[in-house]
Amino acid sequence: AQKVTQAQTEISVVEKEDVTLDCVYETRDTTYYLFWYKQPPSGELVFLIRRNSFDEQNEISGRYSWNFQKSTSSFNFTITASQVVDSAVYFCAHHGTSYGKLTFGQGTILTVHP
Amino acid sequence: DTAVSQTPKYLVTQMGNDKSIKCEQNLGHDTMYWYKQDSKKFLKIMFSYNNKELIINETVPNRFSPKSPDKAHLNLHINSLELGDSAVYFCASSLDYGGRVTQYFGPGTRLLVL
Repeated sequence: AQKVTQAQTEISVVEKEDVTLDCVYETRDTTYYLFWYKQPPSGELVFLIRRNSFDEQNEISGRYSWNFQKSTSSFNFTITASQVVDSAVYFCAHHGTSYGKLTFGQGTILTVHP
Repeated sequence: DTAVSQTPKYLVTQMGNDKSIKCEQNLGHDTMYWYKQDSKKFLKIMFSYNNKELIINETVPNRFSPKSPDKAHLNLHINSLELGDSAVYFCASSLDYGGRVTQYFGPGTRLLVL
């Protein structure tokens, strides 16, 4: 069965600090997809990135970067020079070969202080 | 303009009542979902429909009944509401039910059962 673990329940940083959110997954699927979503205080779920299991290239998008390491079953998310607007709950999720089933981690609450 | 919309945004009701939440997507997607987010922010899939057919039913009490009148709509009806049903319910949609596509979420419906 799939499982996604986000061991950091809450992280608090000061603006301009870099912060890394950890995500570790368990899967029996050989082909799978990993996602990150952001849930700001307003409550909606915002898609950030999707990665497939056969593409281990790291990705950068502005201040966001993702490090996918199949050997350690991890898909970590780094925010560089954090800003107050980055304060949110961040969810890592896994999708295997089962129909439509996204399995979410517990979420990490990130608070960025001015 | 909105991609995935839900009504109502807030729902406060008494135990024992029956209520419905509506979801519509204008993305032309074939697959729609209902997720439940509990008070600890944990997100879990409840149902998924592909082309109006039920493909996922995740051991949800049968007081919950989804209905998909067409591909663009997926409604959730809840009978005999209980205190434990209080949660945020998210609707989502995707092109199909594979992991290679992204699920896009609606704004959520905050249900409070008194």
